[in-house]
Amino acid sequence: EPEVTQTPSHQVTQMGQEVILRCVPISNHLYFYWYRQILGQKVEFLVSFYNNEISEKSEIFDDQFSVERPDGSNFTLKIRSTKLEDSAMYFCASSEERRTDTQYFGPGTRLTVL
Amino acid sequence: RKEVEQDPGPFNVPEGATVAFNCTYSNSASQSFFWYRQDCRKEPKLLMSVYSSGNEDGRFTAQLNRASQYISLLIRDSKLSDSATYLCAVNEGGGADGLTFGKGTHLIIQP
Repeated sequence: EPEVTQTPSHQVTQMGQEVILRCVPISNHLYFYWYRQILGQKVEFLVSFYNNEISEKSEIFDDQFSVERPDGSNFTLKIRSTKLEDSAMYFCASSEERRTDTQYFGPGTRLTVL
Repeated sequence: RKEVEQDPGPFNVPEGATVAFNCTYSNSASQSFFWYRQDCRKEPKLLMSVYSSGNEDGRFTAQLNRASQYISLLIRDSKLSDSATYLCAVNEGGGADGLTFGKGTHLIIQP
């Protein structure tokens, strides 16, 4: 069964450093998403990406964040200058077509900012 | 984004019992509804989509009540392996892409 994959599984960084989280969505899916989950809190939507551009972003997704599809398979989330409060699990998800299609989640990257 | 509310629990239930929980959503324009299961520090895994007519998958039954703006999940003959956090997720429609999640209901099945 096709799966969303994410690397790395755990990233530790110093405050102020840039990090790039990587995802490989399911191959025939057209919509890609990033979510985050701070420990003990709910899963929160960050951004969606369709047809090589941002389709929707939440208020969390400020200028420190960017997304890119650098090639035909990878989808990345960059945080330019990490803050302590960016420590969270970051989940990538993808869906086949329409926005309301079922979204399938990757295993997540645990980001720890020191 | 509007709110999606769930009783956080924990629900402590003996093995073999039936358990049900609800999730309420505040945006009446919401279009799609899902139940996900999340194990500790893992990703949300789709349990089932929720349709207006209700749907069943083995021991799991999901219902949608648009008039009262809630969805429900019923688990019959619960197993120890059902212990997890159950997340309700809603697509709010109106062009929104992302899902709005509830905080989840923690279920513990006891032997």
